[in-house]
Amino acid sequence: GAVVSQHPSWVICKSGTSVKIECRSLDFQATTMFWYRQFPKQSLMLMATSNEGSKATYEQGVEKDKFLINHASLTLSTLTVTSAHPEDSSFYICSARRPDQETQYFGPGTRLLVL
Amino acid sequence: EDQVTQSPEALRLQEGESSSLNCSYTVSGLRGLFWYRQDPGKGPEFLFTLYSAGEEKEKERLKATLTKKESFLHITAPKPEDSATYLCAVQALSFNKFYFGSGTKLNVKP
Repeated sequence: GAVVSQHPSWVICKSGTSVKIECRSLDFQATTMFWYRQFPKQSLMLMATSNEGSKATYEQGVEKDKFLINHASLTLSTLTVTSAHPEDSSFYICSARRPDQETQYFGPGTRLLVL
Repeated sequence: EDQVTQSPEALRLQEGESSSLNCSYTVSGLRGLFWYRQDPGKGPEFLFTLYSAGEEKEKERLKATLTKKESFLHITAPKPEDSATYLCAVQALSFNKFYFGSGTKLNVKP
């Protein structure tokens, strides 16, 4: 199998606080993980690519100081939304890729609401 | 520029009414084309990977095909539980990342 989990599934926070989202590959080691953002009724927008042990590669227009990504192990990547504001409210989804495949396996997503 | 276009945006079918979803792509060298199913409020669920023109994959009522310019997801005798948004993504030879289409929202009425 290829199971990816995310935690938390739901988070509500106050404006100005930071929120950490975890992405874990449960039954395989993922050398590469990806972070996406999805707005209602829209497709997935890639935010960054995360490789274990190295700095993440951010897509154009994504603030790397605001969206901190850490890929500390082969099974865990974290996304921290720093000083969150209401416009950061969205559905955040991670994916992980097995070393022997090109396919990305997605987590269930985390819905963030910033008040 | 690499692009992925899915059509139609939305499709309403009666249960048992077969149809096809289209994914047209422009990419500088295709490494792979991927189909996913996404239910509301959930992450995409992997369906198929296609690598070369002429390749076909099947799973239950779904069959994916690939040409040099497009891919089709054929749905045979769909059931209401097939209702979801179907996403297509392509990966170019030179990049790790996927380019996603905007999806086709399928609604199968009983």
